[in-house]
Amino acid sequence: DQQVKQNSPSLSVQEGRISILNCDYTNSMFDYFLWYKKYPAEGPTFLISISSIKDKNEDGRFTVFLNKSAKHLSLHIVPSQPGDSAVYFCAASDPAGGTSYGKLTFGQGTILTVHP
Amino acid sequence: DAMVIQNPRYQVTQFGKPVTLSCSQTLNHNVMYWYQQKSSQAPKLLFHYYDKDFNNEADTPDNFQSRRPNTSFCFLDIRSPGLGDAAMYLCATSRVKRDEQYFGPGTRLTVT
Repeated sequence: DQQVKQNSPSLSVQEGRISILNCDYTNSMFDYFLWYKKYPAEGPTFLISISSIKDKNEDGRFTVFLNKSAKHLSLHIVPSQPGDSAVYFCAASDPAGGTSYGKLTFGQGTILTVHP
Repeated sequence: DAMVIQNPRYQVTQFGKPVTLSCSQTLNHNVMYWYQQKSSQAPKLLFHYYDKDFNNEADTPDNFQSRRPNTSFCFLDIRSPGLGDAAMYLCATSRVKRDEQYFGPGTRLTVT
């Protein structure tokens, strides 16, 4: 049962345009969400996060939007640059007590390609 | 630079031959995690340590074990690797639980 889904395996965007990466989740208990970026031969690196008490968080060119009623979050990159080409993972944090606290459940990732 | 280091980056082992993957961190983080990632799939948490407190995911096979002899080091032991265990193994750390996780570059395991 996949609780975090990224339904688009890949996305291709022109340099300077907006990239929108989407993520859906099924567990209504998730209350903290993160986006990671992964280049080939490297581990994922943290990009941006959002708590469920907010619906938007911005950091430079990156903005994450959270729609709790739809159980949907998205990452907007504006403007997109060729160096943004990477795999993007969304992840959701389990708020349950005990040993599951803080556990991250990842989506399958979306390959973003930004063309010059 | 503070970082998460994984050795080796590539590991080839034979079916059934025990293998150990290594992770070290210079971040002095309390929590260390091991993930398994198969091709085009999401990273899947195997287990984590909060200090010396070990937490196993319910669906982690018994074939997988872990050791954390000190704050800096964590090992993943695969007792009898099967062909299905071929994957990328990612180590991550976080200062505390519910904090952002810092990942190492991963070890790609091939089972022949």
